[in-house]
Amino acid sequence: GQQLNQSPQSMFIQEGEDVSMNCTSSSIFNTWLWYKQDPGEGPVLLIALYKAGELTSNGRLTAQFGITRKDSFLNISASIPSDVGIYFCAGQKGKLIFGQGTELSVKP
Amino acid sequence: ETGVTQSPTHLIKTRGQQVTLRCSSQSGHNTVSWYQQALGQGPQFIFQYYREEENGRGNFPPRFSGLQFPNYSSELNVNALELDDSALYLCASSQLYRETNYGYTFGSGTRLTVV
Repeated sequence: GQQLNQSPQSMFIQEGEDVSMNCTSSSIFNTWLWYKQDPGEGPVLLIALYKAGELTSNGRLTAQFGITRKDSFLNISASIPSDVGIYFCAGQKGKLIFGQGTELSVKP
Repeated sequence: ETGVTQSPTHLIKTRGQQVTLRCSSQSGHNTVSWYQQALGQGPQFIFQYYREEENGRGNFPPRFSGLQFPNYSSELNVNALELDDSALYLCASSQLYRETNYGYTFGSGTRLTVV
């Protein structure tokens, strides 16, 4: 099935460090969404972006909707152990198309 | 507000059998979508229901079918189960307005194992 290009695939960082991940696509999307998924659970929405160029924050998380509408990034500042999990980007054009996920590990 | 609930949480079926998965939408949402998530992959879109009719479908065969009820709850039915159907099945509800789905919220999923 169709997927977005999400990078990096995995990250191992020290507690307190900042994290950055991004998604690119060959298609234009109307909406970009960022989700976090814990083992055995469904994805939980972190940030939704509805307008090209939009920069939105949710606590320590910041995400931007690329001006070309073909990319988005998510930054996590001052990471903590509970940030561990798999992060997915998703572009919306009717249905959601997901990236492959970024697995984040945080060392205390 | 109540979230999206799915049942059952886990299910084991034999190849060739049929299965029905259920989903209750979040209050205030009018659209339900179903996704299949294989291990280590992102979710893949199966189909979406709006006003009790399918209004979008991914690359899944006809043996995957669904229903949406007047209370916006939904069922996913899979006939003639194959081993590759083993996956986490996710339901998501949203509010569809002018071709954009707002508040896309997922349930915890049903883990289906086909043996």
